[in-house]
Amino acid sequence: QLQLQESGPGLVRPSETLSLTCIVSDDSLSSQDYYWGWVRQPPEKGLEWIGSFYYTEGRYYNTSLKSRATFSVDTSKNHLYLRLTSVTAADTAVYYCARSPRAASYEFWGQGTLVTVSS
Amino acid sequence: DIQMTQSPSSLSASVGDRVTITCRASQGVNNYLAWFQQKPGKAPKSLIYGVSSLHSGVPSKFSGSASGTDFTLTISSLQPEDSATYYCQQYHAYPYTFGQGTKLEIK
Repeated sequence: QLQLQESGPGLVRPSETLSLTCIVSDDSLSSQDYYWGWVRQPPEKGLEWIGSFYYTEGRYYNTSLKSRATFSVDTSKNHLYLRLTSVTAADTAVYYCARSPRAASYEFWGQGTLVTVSS
Repeated sequence: DIQMTQSPSSLSASVGDRVTITCRASQGVNNYLAWFQQKPGKAPKSLIYGVSSLHSGVPSKFSGSASGTDFTLTISSLQPEDSATYYCQQYHAYPYTFGQGTKLEIK
């Protein structure tokens, strides 16, 4: 069974850049059969879609993030990355990575990693 | 953006009951509608995609349906472990959007 594991710094200072890694347990990052996504959840709030990554088709970001988010991938390590610049307290959340088959919704989720933005 | 509005925001039911949670989309989503279950402190669990298709391993007590832009998640034979928050999500148009969640309590 696929396993996804997010990792990150835990604490980021305001105005700095948040960098997260999603470690994928198999080689499916470069597969045309799957899409990848990042979703976040502020404390005691609902889920917010950050964006989607398609290895062969590109990246789509939530415009609410005002071009602050960037996805990248290292297929040699089976790693998916999220970079979020100019963070504020509003970016404090649990961040999840997830995988979906084509034409379906997210099937597998990581356990999430909490990022707190504070000075 | 497509707005997803869930109702009710919370509900309480007894063991053995059947409950229905509704999600209304502000415009058509071409049946690209999913449901997730989330327990406190845990990652969401995928239940349903494409309105009514169950993900692998999801019990048949969960079912989904649609009528136009109204979507329904039905949970039958409630058990204590069904206590959770349930979210709908449209994945038809960017940005993908979630409903605000429905908290289900089992009495």
